[in-house]
Amino acid sequence: GENVEQHPSTLSVQEGDSAVIKCTYSDSASNYFPWYKQELGKRPQLIIDIRSNVGEKKDQRIAVTLNKTAKHFSLHITETQPEDSAVYFCAASKGAQKLVFGQGTRLTINP
Amino acid sequence: KAGVTQTPRYLIKTRGQQVTLSCSPISGHRSVSWYQQTPGQGLQFLFEYFSETQRNKGNFPGRFSGRQFSNSRSEMNVSTLELGDSALYLCASSSGTVETQYFGPGTRLLVL
Repeated sequence: GENVEQHPSTLSVQEGDSAVIKCTYSDSASNYFPWYKQELGKRPQLIIDIRSNVGEKKDQRIAVTLNKTAKHFSLHITETQPEDSAVYFCAASKGAQKLVFGQGTRLTINP
Repeated sequence: KAGVTQTPRYLIKTRGQQVTLSCSPISGHRSVSWYQQTPGQGLQFLFEYFSETQRNKGNFPGRFSGRQFSNSRSEMNVSTLELGDSALYLCASSSGTVETQYFGPGTRLLVL
């Protein structure tokens, strides 16, 4: 079955700097790749998603890139702010409501 | 629209008991997926229901079951609870035709 690897497991950046989180997937049939942000004690919140027919998608300070050939996708957060501190999860699916998640990245923004 | 709701929010059970969790999806959504979240295993897919039918299933034992009602509300049942079933159980709501899923706040289950 599908396997999603996420790196790094922890990331600490200075406020205002950029953060990049990378994921690789194993099943070339996967075609939907969402990113979720989970703050302590809260539900996972969808922040951005991309489908396999698109190489890049941006939403204000957040962008996601997808390389289908290499089977990896990345989350880019620019101009980081303290409220960006959270655990971020990538996921992949094959056009069904079954998401396979990465292990998560704990992002800390240092003021 | 109101978001996804789950009840109860917290639950304490003892080994061998059974538990039923409830999820109400976003109005108009027909798909409900269930996930288990633990520190060790992360977020793992349990199953998905669409129009009262189980459409996808993860790799969990038969002690984990679910159902969906005609109003799209879903319940998940775990029988013969084990210590390892302690986790945050999340449900996610989707239209069913598009993959985008929105999560509920979860039910935190502690098995003693």
